[in-house]
Order: sequence, then C-alpha cells, then structure tokens
Amino acid sequence: AQSVAQPEDQVNVAEGNPLTVKCTYSVSGNPYLFWYVQYPNRGLQFLLKYITGDNLVKGSYGFEAEFNKSQTSFHLKKPSALVSDSALYFCAVRATSGSARQLTFGSGTQLTVLP
Amino acid sequence: KAGVTQTPRYLIKTRGQQVTLSCSPISGHRSVSWYQQTPGQGLQFLFEYFSETQRNKGNFPGRFSGRQFSNSRSEMNVSTLELGDSALYLCASSLTRPDLNTEAFFGQGTRLTVV
Repeated sequence: AQSVAQPEDQVNVAEGNPLTVKCTYSVSGNPYLFWYVQYPNRGLQFLLKYITGDNLVKGSYGFEAEFNKSQTSFHLKKPSALVSDSALYFCAVRATSGSARQLTFGSGTQLTVLP
Repeated sequence: KAGVTQTPRYLIKTRGQQVTLSCSPISGHRSVSWYQQTPGQGLQFLFEYFSETQRNKGNFPGRFSGRQFSNSRSEMNVSTLELGDSALYLCASSLTRPDLNTEAFFGQGTRLTVV
C-alpha cells in the first residue's frame, strides 16, 4: 500500500528565511508526487508536481520541491518565506502502475511564518 | 473558468438521517474524486469516478456511496449518519483519467456536522 509521511506537524520560520516542509513516501514502482496548500475553511490548492525528469520542480508562489529517489523524499522549499505562506501543506503520492491509483495524502504540516 | 463547485457549503444533520452532497467539476473535466477530511484522520480517499464509472474506492463502509452523471457532475450520499461522519468533504476534479499524472483541483468542501 502506498503512504506518505510528513514528520513535522508544525514548522515555524521567520519571514524572509528559507523554509522546508518535509515529505517522504512509500509506493510500488515510480511515483507521481504532489504538493497542495490549504488555507482555513478552504479546499486544497495545487502547488506543484513531480512526474518525471528534472528532480527539482518549480511551482506556484515561488515554491519548489526536490525529488530524491534514493531517500524517497519530496521536500517542499522556498528561498524566502512570506507571512502569507502560513497555511496547512499536504504532500501526496499516486502510484504510476498497479491497482491502487488514488491520491494518498500525508497528515499535513502547519506552516507558520512569523513577521 | 469556474472552479470546482460543491453544494451545500455547510450542513447540519441528525444521527440516523441521510445526506447527499453535490460536486460540479471544472468544465471539461471528466474525473471526480471525493475525500473526507477530519482533524484526527486527515484526508482520506472515498471514491473516484471517470465517465460515470467508479474507478477506485477507499476503505469506507457501504453507507458511503456515490455516482457520476453524464455531465460529469457527481453526488455522494451518506446514509444512517453517525457522529463520526462529521467532517469536511472535499471533491476534486481532473481533466483525464484519475490514474494519469494530472493534478486534481479541489472545491471548497462541504462541512457536514452530525448532531
């Protein structure tokens, strides 16, 4: 069965500092990997995805993520955090083969950017 | 282009009742997925539909059911409501089949409270 781990429930960072939100995954075969962000009382917004190719993926709002196959990780990064980046972040994985093709989400990481 | 529309946004029901939630996908999208979000369990996959066919189903009891219509709109139904069914129910639409590498776009959700 596929799974996603987000080891940190909460990440605090000062505005202007770089941020990292960690994600590791487990899936049979090659993965499709996604990051979503959720603001209070809202649905999830797509940030970026890794399908194949370049391990560094660039997405919306200055976010990027690095795919590391050997470490089965897909950490979300941003060089300079903004207060408006404060939200709940979800990593998700989808298998590229087999019967279990649904999007499986991690438990989420609450990011707080302090002014 | 309109996003994913979920109705109603908020719902209060009594234990034992049933409820139907509606989801209109982005125009042209043919795949619809449903998720349950709770503070304790996070985001859990309910089911996925493509071209009126259920493609995948999560680990939920038979009280949870869904369907997709020819215009890609989808409904999910929960019968014999329990207190534990209180959650944010999220619908997501994708352009093509759900098991390809396309990202899902989420609605704002329906907040169901069972009393």
